[in-house]
Amino acid sequence: GQQLNQSPQSMFIQEGEDVSMNCTSSSIFNTWLWYKQDPGEGPVLLIALYKAGELTSNGRLTAQFGITRKDSFLNISASIPSDVGIYFCAGFSTGNQFYFGTGTSLTVIP
Amino acid sequence: DTGVSQNPRHKITKRGQNVTFRCDPISEHNRLYWYRQTLGQGPEFLTYFQNEAQLEKSRLLSDRFSAERPKGSFSTLEIQRTEQGDSAMYLCASSPKQGPADTQYFGPGTRLTVL
Repeated sequence: GQQLNQSPQSMFIQEGEDVSMNCTSSSIFNTWLWYKQDPGEGPVLLIALYKAGELTSNGRLTAQFGITRKDSFLNISASIPSDVGIYFCAGFSTGNQFYFGTGTSLTVIP
Repeated sequence: DTGVSQNPRHKITKRGQNVTFRCDPISEHNRLYWYRQTLGQGPEFLTYFQNEAQLEKSRLLSDRFSAERPKGSFSTLEIQRTEQGDSAMYLCASSPKQGPADTQYFGPGTRLTVL
């Protein structure tokens, strides 16, 4: 199935640093979502974006829906050890199907 | 706990056996989705229900896979004649009747290992 391209694939950062990751697609999406997944668990919804250009925050997390509707980014400010995990973007297209990104693995070094 | 629940959490089976997984969505969520996730990849869409009607099926869902949601509440995913390539995490998600249809809440998943 189709998957969205996420970058970077992995990140190793110091506690307190800011993090930025993005997601691109060759197709237009109507919705962008960002999820965090811990090992052995299902993804947990972080932020949902419904309109091109929309910028939404959830605590230390900020995400934007790209103007072209083909990309999105997620920023995490002042990272903490519990931010460790795999972050997935997901795009919702017509036809009620979700396409997930390839994931960004985040490691926070205390 | 009022989140999405899935049972069993882990299943080990021999090749050729049939397995069935259950998903209980968040109460009153009328949309239910099944995904498959292999190691190092994002979830891949398998199928989608609105109430009891199965509205979408991915090409990934071969003839050996069948999903049901008989009363529009819980759902089951059955895999017949399992193959080693079926080993994966099977995730269920639900989304609410009101509000954006695409805000999906995931369960913890069922990890299937086919020996």
